Amino acid sequence: AQTVTQSQPEMSVQEAETVTLSCTYDTSESDYYLFWYKQPPSRQMILVIRQEAYKQQNATENRFSVNFQKAAKSFSLKISDSQLGDAAMYFCAVNAGGTSYGKLTFGQGTILTVHP
Amino acid sequence: NAGVTQTPKFRILKIGQSMTLQCTQDMNHNYMYWYRQDPGMGLKLIYYSVGAGITDKGEVPNGYNVSRSTTEDFPLRLELAAPSQTSVYFCASSPTLTVGNSGANVLTFGAGSRLTVL
Repeated sequence: AQTVTQSQPEMSVQEAETVTLSCTYDTSESDYYLFWYKQPPSRQMILVIRQEAYKQQNATENRFSVNFQKAAKSFSLKISDSQLGDAAMYFCAVNAGGTSYGKLTFGQGTILTVHP
Repeated sequence: NAGVTQTPKFRILKIGQSMTLQCTQDMNHNYMYWYRQDPGMGLKLIYYSVGAGITDKGEVPNGYNVSRSTTEDFPLRLELAAPSQTSVYFCASSPTLTVGNSGANVLTFGAGSRLTVL
């Protein structure tokens, strides 16, 4: 079984500043993937970033980057130069990979507020 | 390219009624999924399918049924609706898993269907 814990129910940041969202996970798999999804008020689930556990290099996508600490089972998301459009619920998720297809285990989410 | 389309977007049911949530995708994805999202919570997997004619249970399958007669469609059936099934339902799909392709777990989600059971 896999678990994902997001310990910050809510976070806030000033526009143009940087914010980090925390996520810890537990899995017995050696091959797995980690994800951050964004859910704006429209409810649409949008993939922000994906990290393959066997890759030591942290994934980056424009203003979004992760700090992946495999031994600590930690996977935090850093948003740089925050924009008003970043305001959303953010979910961390883990997938065991291989034949687990898209069977993701999600955390409870962090609501991010961006202040102008 | 429409992606994943779910209908209806909103629905109110009375306890004991039945209904079907429709989901269709036009990306020729073999893998399809149904997740539910309860208020203030993350998504939980209800059922999934790896191809036409093949379905399997996820984490919270009780009270639901699925079928997959075509690659494009993956309807979710609620029998005897209960208040505990009040939730937002998401359909998703992902590409076929092949050697060297790890994209099978990159999900494309529909816009969600909000269901209330009173």
